This record gives sequence, C-alpha cells and structure tokens, in this order.
Amino acid sequence: DAGVIQSPRHEVTEMGQEVTLRCKPISGHNSLFWYRQTMMRGLELLIYFNNNVPIDDSGMPEDRFSAKMPNASFSTLKIQPSEPRDSAVYFCASSRDSPNYGYTFGSGTRLTVV
Amino acid sequence: KQEVTQIPAALSVPEGENLVLNCSFTDSAIYNLQWFRQDPGKGLTSLLLIQSSQREQTSGRLNASLDKSSGRSTLYIAASQPGDSATYLCAETSGSRLTFGEGTQLTVNP
Repeated sequence: DAGVIQSPRHEVTEMGQEVTLRCKPISGHNSLFWYRQTMMRGLELLIYFNNNVPIDDSGMPEDRFSAKMPNASFSTLKIQPSEPRDSAVYFCASSRDSPNYGYTFGSGTRLTVV
Repeated sequence: KQEVTQIPAALSVPEGENLVLNCSFTDSAIYNLQWFRQDPGKGLTSLLLIQSSQREQTSGRLNASLDKSSGRSTLYIAASQPGDSATYLCAETSGSRLTFGEGTQLTVNP
C-alpha cells in the first residue's frame, strides 16, 4: 500500500488566493482526518469524516476553511481566501473504523501564505 | 476535554543511553494510545499502538507501556542511537479522534 498520499508537498501562495489541499486515504480505511500543525499550537484536528460524511468540523478555524470528501478515496481541504496566519503544515490521516487500528498519516502539505 | 501532556519537552542524551519518555492523559476511557515519531520537516511515523486492554507493546529497541488507572504511558528506548533523534509524540484515542501531546524533542549525541 502506498500509504496516505497528500498533494502538493509544498504550496506558496499570495494572501487572498484560494488554496486546495488534496488527500488520498489508504484503501479500506473509512475514517479520514485533517490536522494542522504549527509551532505555537502543535497538532490540531480540523475535521474528520467517517464513511465520507463529515462528523466533527468543530476544529475548522472559520468560514474560510471548507473540506469535502466526495468519495472514499479522495478528500480536499480548501482555504478561500488565504491569509498569512494560515501558514502551517497540513496533515491528512486515515484509519479503519475500529479502535484496534491506529492512524496513518500522510507526509503533509507545507503551506506558506505571503 | 481530553488533555495529553508530555514530559520532558526536550531531552539530550549521549549515544548508548537507555531513556524514558513520559505521556499523561486525562481521559480514562481511552480506546488506545499511539506513539509517533516526527523528523524535522517530515510527517508522523507510527511507532507503537497500545490498545486499552493491553499493558505494553514492543518493537525492536522500543517498548511502550500503558497504565489507564494512572493515566500514564511511557516510551522506553534502549541503547539510543543518533538516528533516534526526532520529536516523539503520544496521542490518545477516545471516540474517533486523536488528541496529541506537544511532543518530546530527543537529541542523541554521538
């Protein structure tokens, strides 16, 4: 298995532009999570999906952030409009729907908004 | 709200030393506890997963323990090597979410 695949690996954009981050979970995993990591706040859960349905989006910072999971093999996290304070590493993770299995993380997308 | 605390925040040891990293959590109803390693600029690599019914897990030079009653987990690294230098994160699962500690930054000096 190729693991959790995220793209792009790095993104540099200007303030005000739309940014879309992509994630392909591991096949057979039915839960998908988006995390954000910063020096100040560590790892924060933004949103998670179970069977393609958003279950908890309480971590999404504001209306500028949105996430979708149109099918079991693809999810996007969109920021529109982007701001410099959105600069962070965004991780996607997936797991099976059982506490007996752990979480597998992608390599992350390093976003820089200038 | 679940909280996970890791002590120490940073640790520097000479090569070959055995060491222990500590993790404490407030939620006694956890499903499992997972230890991750993160190298600078990289993603998270899962090291060990301890289910709530287990007391410990071992992988090579790593041993992780779980004590739900006291809300503590430890990661023991035997015969440390410079290649072990990284940030180590523990995370507890309750429900369907992972709650992370802030990590311990480990430096193993040759």
